[in-house]
Amino acid sequence: SQTIHQWPATLVQPVGSPLSLECTVEGTSNPNLYWYRQAAGRGLQLLFYSVGIGQISSEVPQNLSASRPQDRQFILSSKKLLLSDSGFYLCAWSLLVRGEQFFGPGTRLTVL
Amino acid sequence: DAKTTQPNSMESNEEEPVHLPCNHSTISGTDYIHWYRQLPSQGPEYVIHGLTSNVNNRMASLAIAEDRKSSTLILHRATLRDAAVYYCILRDVSNAGNMLTFGGGTRLMVKP
Repeated sequence: SQTIHQWPATLVQPVGSPLSLECTVEGTSNPNLYWYRQAAGRGLQLLFYSVGIGQISSEVPQNLSASRPQDRQFILSSKKLLLSDSGFYLCAWSLLVRGEQFFGPGTRLTVL
Repeated sequence: DAKTTQPNSMESNEEEPVHLPCNHSTISGTDYIHWYRQLPSQGPEYVIHGLTSNVNNRMASLAIAEDRKSSTLILHRATLRDAAVYYCILRDVSNAGNMLTFGGGTRLMVKP
């Protein structure tokens, strides 16, 4: 069966510090991968998606970036965090032939 | 992407059926109707999806209007664990990235 892992579960970072969030998927090959953010009390916003290794599409221009160094690994990064980067970050995967997305447990990021 | 309209919130009594409506009057012929739900402090969870015919699975049923301009998610017997935000989303089958656009959803409250 497929599983998706995200870490860390919670993170508190000062403004201006770097960020690296990691997501890995097990039990499937060549998944589509996604990063979403949910600000407090708000809906989910798609940040990035990837249909293959090294292929990243950005939905929202901002100070975040994403990379996919391996088939089942997706990384969200920032060189300098802003207060507005606080939120609940979710990674998800899907297969091309099936539309449903499966979400990870999320990382709750607080930027102080 | 075609938009969906859902009530902001609904209430239900435990062990009674719940009908969650969704309007999507601008749906195109290649749009699948997806439903997800998000429990507090968790990532969204896939519930069900369909194209034209009604669909049933272990979690819920999806009733799709004949003109496809609306649909209803049916929870046959609500439990306290069904209290969540329910999202109705249209996914274009020609969308290679399988991207989903989450709206505000319906917050379902279940009373004991």
